[in-house]
Amino acid sequence: KAGVTQTPRYLIKTRGQQVTLSCSPISGHRSVSWYQQTPGQGLQFLFEYFSETQRNKGNFPGRFSGRQFSNSRSEMNVSTLELGDSALYLCASTPLGSGTEAFFGQGTRLTVV
Amino acid sequence: AQSVTQPDIHITVSEGASLELRCNYSYGATPYLFWYVQSPGQGLQLLLKYFSGDTLVQGIKGFEAEFKRSQSSFNLRKPSVHWSDAAEYFCAVSSSGSARQLTFGSGTQLTVLP
Repeated sequence: KAGVTQTPRYLIKTRGQQVTLSCSPISGHRSVSWYQQTPGQGLQFLFEYFSETQRNKGNFPGRFSGRQFSNSRSEMNVSTLELGDSALYLCASTPLGSGTEAFFGQGTRLTVV
Repeated sequence: AQSVTQPDIHITVSEGASLELRCNYSYGATPYLFWYVQSPGQGLQLLLKYFSGDTLVQGIKGFEAEFKRSQSSFNLRKPSVHWSDAAEYFCAVSSSGSARQLTFGSGTQLTVLP
């Protein structure tokens, strides 16, 4: 069974640009969550999508957005990039039901210059 | 709001020595607790989880953790550390019955000396 796939693995963008990151969950998983990991703030929850609807959202500005498609693949978008957006962005997919665990992708390393 | 504290930023142990990584959580109801490990530049791999039942949980790679409600702790242990265990370890809590929204601790970096 294929794991969670995130593309691209590395990105370099300039301040003010926007970026789109992609996440393909494990087949059959309908929940996709996104996290930002930085040395200063650690791992922080961005948002979660389930059945194409955003179910939960973390404390991030509106520049951070996402969506989920009917095949459960998800994208997140960051507009008007700032230097502080440089981070490892991790995607996790979770199967339905309680007692489940989140399966993480390898992440996308975004560098804003 | 729920929170997780990992008091040790960095721990160094010798190969073959025992290991205990501390985790304290703050949550009003029954928490769902996880330990993940991250190698440099990689994603997170689940070591073990606690949802209910036996408070001593066995995980992969010889790790175990014990849930102590009275101490709000979920410490990770391994009796004999291997050089390949060097990585960063994260404790996490979920308020729901699933892992769809996790709150992570700040992590503990483990160095293993030969």
